Amino acid sequence: DTAVSQTPKYLVTQMGNDKSIKCEQNLGHDTMYWYKQDSKKFLKIMFSYNNKELIINETVPNRFSPKSPDKAHLNLHINSLELGDSAVYFCASSPLVWREPDNEQFFGPGTRLTVL
Amino acid sequence: LAKTTQPISMDSYEGQEVNITCSHNNIATNDYITWYQQFPSQGPRFIIQGYKTKVTNEVASLFIPADRKSSTLSLPRVSLSDTAVYYCLVGAKSYNQGGKLIFGQGTELSVKP
Repeated sequence: DTAVSQTPKYLVTQMGNDKSIKCEQNLGHDTMYWYKQDSKKFLKIMFSYNNKELIINETVPNRFSPKSPDKAHLNLHINSLELGDSAVYFCASSPLVWREPDNEQFFGPGTRLTVL
Repeated sequence: LAKTTQPISMDSYEGQEVNITCSHNNIATNDYITWYQQFPSQGPRFIIQGYKTKVTNEVASLFIPADRKSSTLSLPRVSLSDTAVYYCLVGAKSYNQGGKLIFGQGTELSVKP
């Protein structure tokens, strides 16, 4: 029943490791997003995909690479993890059709990444 | 890009009406105003969206003056479960229309018994 799901919920790893976070939505939405929320609660968009096509790529280190095998999935792979990557990462989706009256975004529960 | 400013925190008591104001002086013509709610350890949840004047749904009301340089989220008769962070968001509805969605720093609302 979960609309937007993420795995894992918690991720603890050492500096320099490579890790992935998976996201799936069963809402039939066209667009998916990755956000990063730091300890001060600032929520910043990182990437957005529309029908498997990258449409937003904010100023994010190229160690972060999103991958969308189909429009229901958007995974985030992070290479060479650094201490500053510690944050909560949220996946979201929305029906990105300009005729829609409301372009509400549906967020997943978040993945808390801790880099030691 | 429109930037938003909100109070960092607010306190209220159960049963009171809470109004949270967001400033967005550089809002563009095609920008909409959206509010999200976030409980601890959860993702943000959409509350309400509007372009001008007043919008009301079963959860809240959104007041937007004619110049659209600010907006006020009104929560009627809050309860303890309304304790959360509230984000004001300004941006185009669709990336097809251009523009980006930028979250403000959020207002931490604490409702006390």
